[in-house]
Amino acid sequence: GENVEQHPSTLSVQEGDSAVIKCTYSDSASNYFPWYKQELGKGPQLIIDIRSNVGEKKDQRIAVTLNKTAKHFSLHITETQPEDSAVYFCAALDGSGNTGKLIFGQGTTLQVKP
Amino acid sequence: NAGVTQTPKFRILKIGQSMTLQCTQDMNHNYMYWYRQDPGMGLKLIYYSVGAGITDKGEVPNGYNVSRSTTEDFPLRLELAAPSQTSVYFCASSTSNQPQHFGDGTRLSIL
Repeated sequence: GENVEQHPSTLSVQEGDSAVIKCTYSDSASNYFPWYKQELGKGPQLIIDIRSNVGEKKDQRIAVTLNKTAKHFSLHITETQPEDSAVYFCAALDGSGNTGKLIFGQGTTLQVKP
Repeated sequence: NAGVTQTPKFRILKIGQSMTLQCTQDMNHNYMYWYRQDPGMGLKLIYYSVGAGITDKGEVPNGYNVSRSTTEDFPLRLELAAPSQTSVYFCASSTSNQPQHFGDGTRLSIL
């Protein structure tokens, strides 16, 4: 089955710097990769996603890149702000059936220092 | 739209007690999911459903049961609560090949 590895587990940056979180997946049949942000006491919220027919997608300060050959995808946050501090999860759609199942990475705790 | 609503938000159970975690969505999504999240860990799939009357096991189904009698509701049942089931439980819903929408979770402690 699908396996998703996420790194780093914790990341601390100064306000205004960039942050990069990387994920790898194992199932070449996966074709959809969402990123979620989880704030304390809340459920995960989708922040950006990418499908396998594109290599990059941007939304203001957030971008995601996908390398299908290497089975890597990354989240890039530019000009970080204290409110970006949260836990971020990558995920890959399980390609084994039409179930919508997502396989999640272990999460990255991002701390943005003012 | 309220999205995905989970109740209760918090609960303390004694070992051996039973309870049902409620989840309802108003987005007419076919797919629904239950996850557990242990401290500092990712999300592990307990059960999922691709439509009313259809349920299937996820990665960690032992000790849990689900039912899906309507499109809107997907309750999760713990029959004999054990300390290992102390966790935060999240329900999510989606349509085919679309992102999952999550509720705000139920924080469950078993003592």
